[in-house]
Amino acid sequence: DVKVTQSSRYLVKRTGEKVFLECVQDMDHENMFWYRQDPGLGLRLIYFSYDVKMKEKGDIPEGYSVSREKKERFSLILESASTNQTSMYLCASSMRFDEQYFGPGTRLTVT
Amino acid sequence: AQSVTQLGSHVSVSEGALVLLRCNYSSSVPPYLFWYVQYPNQGLQLLLKYTTGATLVKGINGFEAEFKKSETSFHLTKPSAHMSDAAEYFCAVSISGSARQLTFGSGTQLTVLP
Repeated sequence: DVKVTQSSRYLVKRTGEKVFLECVQDMDHENMFWYRQDPGLGLRLIYFSYDVKMKEKGDIPEGYSVSREKKERFSLILESASTNQTSMYLCASSMRFDEQYFGPGTRLTVT
Repeated sequence: AQSVTQLGSHVSVSEGALVLLRCNYSSSVPPYLFWYVQYPNQGLQLLLKYTTGATLVKGINGFEAEFKKSETSFHLTKPSAHMSDAAEYFCAVSISGSARQLTFGSGTQLTVLP
């Protein structure tokens, strides 16, 4: 079974802090994705990566950056957390043309 | 660009009744279509997908969906609801030949009444 893990299930940070969310997949998938999920808005793509050191902006990249130094790991970085970044963050991975597999999510609260 | 509309943000059915969750998409090229389910405090799990071939697709937990090109729809159905089906359901579309980017609908919360 494909396994996608995220470093934290719940996280509380203060405004202005730098926040790292880590995602690891164990199936040698090429593609990895970061989404945020908000009630009534579904999932919105922040960034994705189709290869090591490659990244592309999704629909809402502002305020976020990403890093992919190894194929299995994809990190989301909030350079200076703000309250409007309080959300559920979901990581996913996929083979080239296949469905995406999701991690359990990180619920981030910024106070 | 593709888009997805899920009609009804909340749907309630009685246990044993038919489940029908609606999804309409727009895409300028042949789409890949997906239904995902999310149980409370969990990530998304794939229920079923349509890529090519047979338009009636069967998934896990007794769910199925039919791709209707003329109606640009991909509605999810289950003949008999169980209490364990209570969850949020997401329809998603991607450009044919690439699952690099999925566009998700806003989700439908399914409540199953005893």
